[in-house]
Amino acid sequence: DIVMTQSPDSLAVSLGERATINCKSSQNVLYSSNNKNYLAWYQQKPRQPPKLLIYWASTRESGVPDRFSGSGSGTDFTLTISSLQAEDVAVYYCQQYYGTPFTFGPGTKVDIK
Amino acid sequence: EVQLLESGGGLVQPGGSLRLSCAASGFTFSGYAMSWVRQAPGKGLEWVSVISGRDGTTFYADSVKGRFTISRDNSKNTLDLQMNSLRAEDTAVYYCAKMGGGTCYSALAYWGQGTLVTVSS
Repeated sequence: DIVMTQSPDSLAVSLGERATINCKSSQNVLYSSNNKNYLAWYQQKPRQPPKLLIYWASTRESGVPDRFSGSGSGTDFTLTISSLQAEDVAVYYCQQYYGTPFTFGPGTKVDIK
Repeated sequence: EVQLLESGGGLVQPGGSLRLSCAASGFTFSGYAMSWVRQAPGKGLEWVSVISGRDGTTFYADSVKGRFTISRDNSKNTLDLQMNSLRAEDTAVYYCAKMGGGTCYSALAYWGQGTLVTVSS
């Protein structure tokens, strides 16, 4: 199974400041035949289902604010919130869909400092 | 507008069975793979199972293989999860999710509100 790890476990950022979350996969999730990283990011606010933010590691889902961006390739990935807003308080998960079982990272909790 | 409405959750004794359903609308159901993902109280997300859009290819997490069965009815736009031999560790909110494409290997594009399954005596 592909193991996903995230760092940090939690972070507190001032409003308007940058938040950076890292995700690492135990195996490469870049499929060479199409040059796509099978990596997604989700946001889960309290008492809500998760919401897709980023897929193919860097493609923003329709309607997601452009302050959210994804980067990385292979085994190392990053989700960046360029200017944290109050509504961004949530837990963020990375997930690989390169191979079954699909696996999630443990989550990173983002709060306001 | 995409809508996914889960039902069938509840309290069941260890060793019992439960069938979850997800009614889908707002998109061409047969064109998309569908998944179940669960979240134990206060814990992270755990992928459970996926079924492809048309040919019915299925995959399962090791923790549920042989006990859970995913199925779909493209004529009724419904997704099911038959859960047998339930254990306390199956207690979770179960989410139905629409994948980003017809194959299983895509992101979980849209999630339902979830249904709570509690396994306890």
